Amino acid sequence: NAGVTQTPKFRVLKTGQSMTLLCAQDMNHEYMYWYRQDPGMGLRLIHYSVGEGTTAKGEVPDGYNVSRLKKQNFLLGLESAAPSQTSVYFCASRAPSGDQETQYFGPGTRLLVL
Amino acid sequence: EDQVTQSPEALRLQEGESSSLNCSYTVSGLRGLFWYRQDPGKGPEFLFTLYSAGEEKEKERLKATLTKKESFLHITAPKPEDSATYLCAVQRTSYGKLTFGQGTILTVHP
Repeated sequence: NAGVTQTPKFRVLKTGQSMTLLCAQDMNHEYMYWYRQDPGMGLRLIHYSVGEGTTAKGEVPDGYNVSRLKKQNFLLGLESAAPSQTSVYFCASRAPSGDQETQYFGPGTRLLVL
Repeated sequence: EDQVTQSPEALRLQEGESSSLNCSYTVSGLRGLFWYRQDPGKGPEFLFTLYSAGEEKEKERLKATLTKKESFLHITAPKPEDSATYLCAVQRTSYGKLTFGQGTILTVHP
C-alpha cells in the first residue's frame, strides 16, 4: 500500500515551458487536492476534486489546470510556467466523510522555474 | 475568511524539557482541526484530528487539546527525533478545504 505518490520528485523549468505533475493514490479515496507550500505562506489549496471527472478551484488556482480522468489519479498542469510558480507542490487525498476525513499527503514535487 | 495563526514560529528545547505549541483559529463553523508533523523534504504526516471543544487526543509524547478559539500541542519530555515542523489546519466545509497555519519549527537538542 503506497498511499499517495507524486512524480516527478524534482523538476527545473524555464519560464514559459509547460509540465504536468502526477499524483496517484491507492486508497480508493474520492477526494483529492493539490496544494503549494511556500516559505512563510503555509500550505495553500490550488485545486481539488470530489470525484472522477470533477474539479474545482481552490485558493490560488491562477496559472494551473487540473484533470481527474481516473479516480486514482489527479494531474496538475502548468501551461506556461512563471518564476512565481517556484514552490513545493503537495497532493493529498481523503475519504468523503465521517471519521475518515483526514487528508493524507504525498512526498511532494519541488519545482524551480528559472 | 478562515485564519490560523501558530506560535511560536520556532521553539528550541532541551531533551526532556516539556512545552506547548499554540494554534489560534478563526473559522465560522469548525468541522475539524488537524495537526500534522512535517520533516524536512517530506510531506505532512497526520497526527491528530479534533472535532469539538474539550476534546483531547494523545500519541506517545504528544497531546493535542482544543478550545473554541485555539488548540495546543503539548510535548512531554521531548526527544531529538521529535524535531520537525508542526502544522495546524482547520476544516470548515464537508469537501475538506484545509486552511493551514505557517507552522512551528521545533528543535530538540540532546
